[in-house]
Amino acid sequence: ETGVTQSPTHLIKTRGQQVTLRCSSQSGHNTVSWYQQALGQGPQFIFQYYREEENGRGNFPPRFSGLQFPNYSSELNVNALELDDSALYLCASSLGGFGTDTQYFGPGTRLTVL
Amino acid sequence: QQQVKQSPQSLIVQKGGISIINCAYENTAFDYFPWYQQFPGKGPALLIAIRPDVSEKKEGRFTISFNKSAKQFSLHIMDSQPGDSATYFCAATVNQGGKLIFGQGTELSVKP
Repeated sequence: ETGVTQSPTHLIKTRGQQVTLRCSSQSGHNTVSWYQQALGQGPQFIFQYYREEENGRGNFPPRFSGLQFPNYSSELNVNALELDDSALYLCASSLGGFGTDTQYFGPGTRLTVL
Repeated sequence: QQQVKQSPQSLIVQKGGISIINCAYENTAFDYFPWYQQFPGKGPALLIAIRPDVSEKKEGRFTISFNKSAKQFSLHIMDSQPGDSATYFCAATVNQGGKLIFGQGTELSVKP
């Protein structure tokens, strides 16, 4: 086990709704990254936070937003849900500081948009 | 140029055999190449990783072979076991802690 936890495990929403997914990083890990994994695909990078500041973003629209808190927890918020947002959402934590880190993944939250 | 292409999509190997998964990339700025193993219902777990200054790295039954000039790298699983049955992803990144670019995944099934 990596020590990275995510909640909830599963979630069902309808199109147009908003959702908040949560991640608890390993203690001491200053960096958290979020990925979207569609069924049968590799994870796609959404964004990364380092010490509560966004530190890189993938090709996702602004309705995907995040927050990182001082207690090593973080959130992924998605507004105006679309059917294509149905996926496994993964967070990964790392110590922080490029060139030194391994990213440790949580088990993910399975989001279904109807 | 940000893509990592992985093959095959699925692989069936007999117990005790060698499993080989291949990946290719275009971005020469990539400098860290990890392999992740993912079981159903779990997040990806780091298996083994390599930097482009070495051509091979071995950890137990797992070996990465790296060909910088061809921009290709591969994972070899020796003496494959049924417990190795999982989905394997290659990935690449610029700076180890940066965003990971994943391949499409290979579903490995090891038959007893």
